[in-house]
Amino acid sequence: DAGVIQSPRHEVTEMGQEVTLRCKPISGHNSLFWYRQTMMRGLELLIYFNNNVPIDDSGMPEDRFSAKMPNASFSTLKIQPSEPRDSAVYFCASSYRTGGHYGYTFGSGTRLTVV
Amino acid sequence: AQSVAQPEDQVNVAEGNPLTVKCTYSVSGNPYLFWYVQYPNRGLQFLLKYITGDNLVKGSYGFEAEFNKSQTSFHLKKPSALVSDSALYFCAVRGDFGNEKLTFGTGTRLTIIP
Repeated sequence: DAGVIQSPRHEVTEMGQEVTLRCKPISGHNSLFWYRQTMMRGLELLIYFNNNVPIDDSGMPEDRFSAKMPNASFSTLKIQPSEPRDSAVYFCASSYRTGGHYGYTFGSGTRLTVV
Repeated sequence: AQSVAQPEDQVNVAEGNPLTVKCTYSVSGNPYLFWYVQYPNRGLQFLLKYITGDNLVKGSYGFEAEFNKSQTSFHLKKPSALVSDSALYFCAVRGDFGNEKLTFGTGTRLTIIP
């Protein structure tokens, strides 16, 4: 299994540009999560999906952020327009639940720098 | 609301000594508890979890954690520290029903001194 795959690994963009981060979850995992990591705020959940449906988006900072999961194998997190304060590492994770067992697997992250 | 506290930002341990990284939690219902490790410029790697059963959970790389319901704690331990254990460690919690989101602590930077 290739694990959770995120792209790109690094993104440098200018303020005001649109940024799209991508995630491929592990096949068979039915929930997908987007987290953001910064020095100031640590790891914070932005949004999560269950069976491709957004369940909790209370962590999405503002309308500039949007996330979609058009099918079970792909999700995007879009920032439009981007601002320097959006600079962070964005992690995608997917999870499974089987017979009372739970597991969460994280991708390697996308390091976003907005200049 | 669920929350995790990792009271120590930094823990320094001499190589070969036992190590403990502390974690306390607050959650509705029964807790599901996790420890993850993060090396520089890497993602979060799973170490171990407590869902139910034995209070002492064994995980990867010789780590273990003890679930204590009365103290709402889930401290990470290792009998003999290695220099390669130096990393950032995160404790996380979710409840056993409803929202599946994992809430993380602020992390503890563990440094093993040769």
